[in-house]
Amino acid sequence: NAGVTQTPKFQVLKTGQSMTLQCAQDMNHNSMYWYRQDPGMGLRLIYYSASEGTTDKGEVPNGYNVSRLNKREFSLRLESAAPSQTSVYFCSSGQNTDTQYFGPGTRLTVL
Amino acid sequence: AQSVTQLGSHVSVSEGALVLLRCNYSSSVPPYLFWYVQYPNQGLQLLLKYTTGATLVKGINGFEAEFKKSETSFHLTKPSAHMSDAAEYFCAVSDLGSGNTGKLIFGQGTTLQVKP
Repeated sequence: NAGVTQTPKFQVLKTGQSMTLQCAQDMNHNSMYWYRQDPGMGLRLIYYSASEGTTDKGEVPNGYNVSRLNKREFSLRLESAAPSQTSVYFCSSGQNTDTQYFGPGTRLTVL
Repeated sequence: AQSVTQLGSHVSVSEGALVLLRCNYSSSVPPYLFWYVQYPNQGLQLLLKYTTGATLVKGINGFEAEFKKSETSFHLTKPSAHMSDAAEYFCAVSDLGSGNTGKLIFGQGTTLQVKP
């Protein structure tokens, strides 16, 4: 039982490059979330998927897209990376309003 | 709309001293409240949560928190700090106003330093 896994762990991009962050959970949770963590700002919600087949914007969605591939997987895509997207990205999953379980994070630097 | 404020971005205590991390929330509906801990270079781990029922909630590693509706607070305490408690702590409220989506709104975090 791996919980929530994220790949890659680290990534360095140049401005304008694209990439996809992968997230998978094996707890059969309906809901999945993407957050970004910046110093002094806590975690802010980028996008979420309340159930398979649905996605919706969070607090800071600009510059990102998501795909809920199936119940297990929820990916986050940066189409044209910008230095302002340098951050630590966390994926989590949960069952409705219950506890969310977090992955280990992806540390992204955009030069 | 819900919001969370954590008072003090850095708290320093001596080993064996009381730990008190403050959290105040704003919510238009009865809140679900959470405390998460983040050790260096790791993801977030649930310490404890309040949904309904008893207002004093006990969590892992000797931590507890009390929901006080009149003060809109959910402060985290531990009677005696241990070196291994050094980490960043996040208070969060579930955004119940948007339906059962489970979205969390986080405070800005408090870094706990434990001095020997």
